[in-house]
Amino acid sequence: GIQVEQSPPDLILQEGANSTLRCNFSDSVNNLQWFHQNPWGQLINLFYIPSGTKQNGRLSATTVATERYSLLYISSSQTTDSGVYFCAVEQKAAGNKLTFGGGTRVLVKP
Amino acid sequence: KAGVTQTPRYLIKTRGQQVTLSCSPISGHRSVSWYQQTPGQGLQFLFEYFSETQRNKGNFPGRFSGRQFSNSRSEMNVSTLELGDSALYLCASSPRLRGRSTDTQYFGPGTRLTVL
Repeated sequence: GIQVEQSPPDLILQEGANSTLRCNFSDSVNNLQWFHQNPWGQLINLFYIPSGTKQNGRLSATTVATERYSLLYISSSQTTDSGVYFCAVEQKAAGNKLTFGGGTRVLVKP
Repeated sequence: KAGVTQTPRYLIKTRGQQVTLSCSPISGHRSVSWYQQTPGQGLQFLFEYFSETQRNKGNFPGRFSGRQFSNSRSEMNVSTLELGDSALYLCASSPRLRGRSTDTQYFGPGTRLTVL
């Protein structure tokens, strides 16, 4: 099956810093989503981004489907950005189930 | 519009018992998918239900089963619990069958199951 790898696995930031999270996938996909999991386990949708670039406040994401990677940018990080960030991909041949990467654990220190 | 709800939020069981978890999708959503999250295996797809029928299944043993009701609410059942079944179980809903759409999936808060 498809492999989804995220880097780095852990990230410690000082409040106000910028960062980039990466997601690589091993095969072509129909869709890619980024999620933020809060400390209580809730997965929050951040971006639905099969290709191109999207921005939502301090977060933005870019997916280059032809090169099989996606990037999530966090600018001016805040302590509330702490948590685990997951990317997940869908393939039509697999019934569009979500295949998740291992996540990037982000800790933003005040 | 209310989000995806899951009950119970926390559950403690012992080995050999069985457990049933419930998921109510967003109103109007007809597809419900279940995922298991463990520290060792990460987030893994269990199955998807649509129109009261299982439409897709992940690589889990037959002890894991589910069903969906006519109002789209779904339950999953795990029989003969093992220690390794301790996990956060998440359900997600979307408007249409996953295999024919790429609608965004919305996740519930999860049920945290501990098997002793």
